[in-house]
Amino acid sequence: GQNIDQPTEMTATEGAIVQINCTYQTSGFNGLFWYQQHAGEAPTFLSYNVLDGLEEKGRFSSFLSRSKGYSYLLLKELQMKDSASYLCAVRPTGGTDKLIFGTGTRLQVFP
Amino acid sequence: DTGVSQDPRHKITKRGQNVTFRCDPISEHNRLYWYRQTLGQGPEFLTYFQNEAQLEKSRLLSDRFSAERPKGSFSTLEIQRTEQGDSAMYLCASSLGAGGRSEQFFGPGTRLTVL
Repeated sequence: GQNIDQPTEMTATEGAIVQINCTYQTSGFNGLFWYQQHAGEAPTFLSYNVLDGLEEKGRFSSFLSRSKGYSYLLLKELQMKDSASYLCAVRPTGGTDKLIFGTGTRLQVFP
Repeated sequence: DTGVSQDPRHKITKRGQNVTFRCDPISEHNRLYWYRQTLGQGPEFLTYFQNEAQLEKSRLLSDRFSAERPKGSFSTLEIQRTEQGDSAMYLCASSLGAGGRSEQFFGPGTRLTVL
């Protein structure tokens, strides 16, 4: 079966660093995506990992360990506008291009 | 605006009625996806197309759901005999190519409420 787990909610303070974890068990693995979704809006792409290691992109970084079925999204220098849901999604193998999403982690940033 | 567009943005219907949604992808994108999202959940895959060919359809998609992409550009998603459980946000996404880093760009969604 397909299973992607993320914490439901997290809170953090403006200027801080927060790490959002994602563990997955899927029918094969062909890439992991992180998306940001503000309330009532469409998901927007943040990062992509297919090989083990860290991908850095400005204030956001994403890490992948394929052997552990684990990823995290690291957000640095938090801003109020970072309050949103963060979705972890896996593309399974088997010639498909669909994404399997987790339930998302709702992050609230406080001043 | 050259992003993915969806129409209508909101739809309220009575149980048993048919509804149709439209998605216009980013113009050069050959892949188009439909997802459904309910409150507090991540998007759930429904189906996707490469050009006009429907490549995959979720087993969760009952016979009441049908999607088309007749000319390989815009797509429609039709739900027949709607049920209250169909109430959700229906998201369309498109991508250029497949696999690798090809990210899916999402539209604003159509929010369906079935009374």
